[in-house]
Amino acid sequence: DVKVTQSSRYLVKRTGEKVFLECVQDMDHENMFWYRQDPGLGLRLIYFSYDVKMKEKGDIPEGYSVSREKKERFSLILESASTNQTSMYLCASSFRTGYGYTFGSGTRLTVV
Amino acid sequence: KQEVTQIPAALSVPEGENLVLNCSFTDSAIYNLQWFRQDPGKGLTSLLLIQSSQREQTSGRLNASLDKSSGRSTLYIAASQPGDSATYLCAVKSGANNLFFGTGTRLTVIP
Repeated sequence: DVKVTQSSRYLVKRTGEKVFLECVQDMDHENMFWYRQDPGLGLRLIYFSYDVKMKEKGDIPEGYSVSREKKERFSLILESASTNQTSMYLCASSFRTGYGYTFGSGTRLTVV
Repeated sequence: KQEVTQIPAALSVPEGENLVLNCSFTDSAIYNLQWFRQDPGKGLTSLLLIQSSQREQTSGRLNASLDKSSGRSTLYIAASQPGDSATYLCAVKSGANNLFFGTGTRLTVIP
């Protein structure tokens, strides 16, 4: 089974801090995605990547950036954390377009 | 833009009952449809993936069907158990860039 591992289950950060959320998949998937999930808003796509060093904006990229230096790792960066970025962050991967997605267990980020 | 709707939003059933969760989508041009389960505070677990050329998929007590022309999918759970209690999400892959999610059905199975 493909595993998508998110490095932290819970994080508490202060406003203005730079925050790194890490995601690693172990099955050579081409595509990787970052979502945030909020009550009443569902899952919203922040950024995705189709290949190493490639990135595409999703629906809500403002305040975020990403990095994909290796195929298996996709990092989400909050340049200057704000309280409205308090959320559940979910990473996902898929082999290629048209294949199913595998999600990680999520990171609950609280910005105080 | 693809819109995905799930009905009902919440469902409570006694243990042992068979049940059906519904998912509808507005654009029939899809790659696939995927059903997920989410436990409180956790990530999404994939249950079943149906490609656009398929009509149904089965895994254990779960059966998912797809009618692309009418924009509908159902998830059938046989002989429900308390451990099935979770939120079930339907997601449609439509276009290269995104997976469109429904708002979910929160299922409670009462022992």
